[in-house]
Amino acid sequence: GQQLNQSPQSMFIQEGEDVSMNCTSSSIFNTWLWYKQDPGEGPVLLIALYKAGELTSNGRLTAQFGITRKDSFLNISASIPSDVGIYFCAGQLGAGGTSYGKLTFGQGTILTVHP
Amino acid sequence: DAGVTQSPTHLIKTRGQQVTLRCSPISGHKSVSWYQQVLGQGPQFIFQYYEKEERGRGNFPDRFSARQFPNYSSELNVNALLLGDSALYLCASSGLQGVDEQYFGPGTRLTVT
Repeated sequence: GQQLNQSPQSMFIQEGEDVSMNCTSSSIFNTWLWYKQDPGEGPVLLIALYKAGELTSNGRLTAQFGITRKDSFLNISASIPSDVGIYFCAGQLGAGGTSYGKLTFGQGTILTVHP
Repeated sequence: DAGVTQSPTHLIKTRGQQVTLRCSPISGHKSVSWYQQVLGQGPQFIFQYYEKEERGRGNFPDRFSARQFPNYSSELNVNALLLGDSALYLCASSGLQGVDEQYFGPGTRLTVT
């Protein structure tokens, strides 16, 4: 099935470092969301973006909805060990047809934080 | 407040069998979506239901079906199981039709042998 191109695939960083990851698509999305998933659990919603150019923060997390509507970025500042996990971007095209309610996910970025 | 709940947590089935997975959305949420997540990949959309009607469908065979009940809980059924159906099945709820903030449950791990 269709997936977004998410990069990098994995990151190994030291505690305290900042992290950046991004997602690109050939299709325009009306909404971008970022999720974090721990092993054996469901994804947890971190940030939702609804307007092109929008910049939204949630604590140490900051995400941006790209101007072209085809990309999004997530930054984590001053990483801590509990940031370890898999981060997924997800986009939604919007209403209409059989894609209603469909979130299209990236392949995920595996983040490892060394103390 | 209770989040999205799913049952069972784990399930082992044999090829050719049928399975039913259950989901209860967040209280007050009327929309339920189902996703399949194969190991190492992001979730893939299967269905969305709103007010007991199917409103969205992903690229899955007819062996996959679902329904939503008056209390907004939902069931996902998979018939004639294949080895490739082994995956984590995730349910997500959202407050309104088309609202994109979908909140996921812990998932049901299905293993087909």
